[in-house]
Amino acid sequence: QKEVEQNSGPLSVPEGAIASLNCTYSDRVSQSFFWYRQYSGKSPELIMSIYSNGDKEDGRFTAQLNKASQYVSLLIRDSQPSDSATYLCAVGERGSGNTGKLIFGQGTTLQVKP
Amino acid sequence: DADVTQTPRNRITKTGKRIMLECSQTKGHDRMYWYRQDPGLGLRLIYYSFDVKDINKGEISDGYSVSRQAQAKFSLSLESAIPNQTALYFCATSATGTREETQYFGPGTRLLVL
Repeated sequence: QKEVEQNSGPLSVPEGAIASLNCTYSDRVSQSFFWYRQYSGKSPELIMSIYSNGDKEDGRFTAQLNKASQYVSLLIRDSQPSDSATYLCAVGERGSGNTGKLIFGQGTTLQVKP
Repeated sequence: DADVTQTPRNRITKTGKRIMLECSQTKGHDRMYWYRQDPGLGLRLIYYSFDVKDINKGEISDGYSVSRQAQAKFSLSLESAIPNQTALYFCATSATGTREETQYFGPGTRLLVL
């Protein structure tokens, strides 16, 4: 069974620090990777997508992908209390091609303390 | 206006009742999805549809049915609600083509079955 694993946390960091969120996946042929942010009681919001090995930066967010290690991470620089949320890692499912479905991890809860 | 809307936003019902959750989108996407979210279990796919004539079961379709009335509308029905269907339900959309796994979520429906 294809799986996406995340540490549920909570991960606690002080304001202004770098938060590092990690995700591993089981299907080595996966090609697309996503990070969603979800505030309590709200819907998931897409914050980053990454498809190639290496880093992808968008503002304070950097996604890192290592397909050989089946590992994807999200770094949040200069963490703010407003970044406190659950971060969901999602991986595009592959069959003979893209199945069009995402496999979600259970999410990591981030707490940024002022 | 929100791109993906869900009605109702909150619903309380009794065991054995039939209820329908509705999803509409103005994003022009052809693909639509229904998920449920339970604490500690992450997002689980119930049904998905890649066009009006295409309906597919997800990992937890038992006890649910769906209807794709138009490209922009996708409804989820609980034929006879039971308490373990109490959850947060999300509709999501995506577009066939490049980056087709990128899904966008509606605001969610919180359902309580007594």
